[in-house]
Amino acid sequence: QIQLQQSGLGLVKPSQTLSLTCAISGDSVSSNKAAWNWIRQSPSRGLEWLGRTYFRSKWYYDYELSVKSRIIINPDTPKNQFSLRLNSVTPEDTAVYYCARGEQWLLFDSWGQGTLVTVSS
Amino acid sequence: DIQMTQSPSTLSASVGDRVTITCRASRSISSWLAWYQQKPGKAPKLLISKASNLESGVPSRFSGSGSGTEFTLTISSLQPDDFATYYCQHFNTYSAVFGQGTKVEIK
Repeated sequence: QIQLQQSGLGLVKPSQTLSLTCAISGDSVSSNKAAWNWIRQSPSRGLEWLGRTYFRSKWYYDYELSVKSRIIINPDTPKNQFSLRLNSVTPEDTAVYYCARGEQWLLFDSWGQGTLVTVSS
Repeated sequence: DIQMTQSPSTLSASVGDRVTITCRASRSISSWLAWYQQKPGKAPKLLISKASNLESGVPSRFSGSGSGTEFTLTISSLQPDDFATYYCQHFNTYSAVFGQGTKVEIK
């Protein structure tokens, strides 16, 4: 059974960097089948896919256009986890952030527990 | 960009009722449509992929249909555990777009 466990700070100041980690059990971050995603949910924007990383002989990264200039998703193979960094945050980035597993398709079959991140001074 | 629109936004129903939720795409998406269930404070759970493929472990009272621009999620006999918010999602290899959700509440 695949489990995803999120960690990270829930309060970030405007203009600073949001940072979250997702630890994987029951699968491998370097699987040749899986892809590892970040999704967020807010009342104003609904569910919004942010990006993913996956390994197919080398590492690939796909990002949603609206955050592409501010986002980095990184795998951590020794710890079997992956991370999200979102730079230059504003109150608009306040949301519940989820990590999720997918495969070739942007379809999400396992999810983390969610982390409420509030951007406020 | 494709937009996904669900109706209704809220649905009041009783245990045992047959419930249908509609999802419309702004242009044809073939069968690249999934349905999720989300309960308060929890992550979404994948119910159906490719418009009508029931995920393993999902009760058979859930079914999905449609193709092109119009899709439906049907719950044949609503159970107490089914009161939740349901989301449709268009997916392919480079895009994921969710509908705004349909809340199924107790009548």
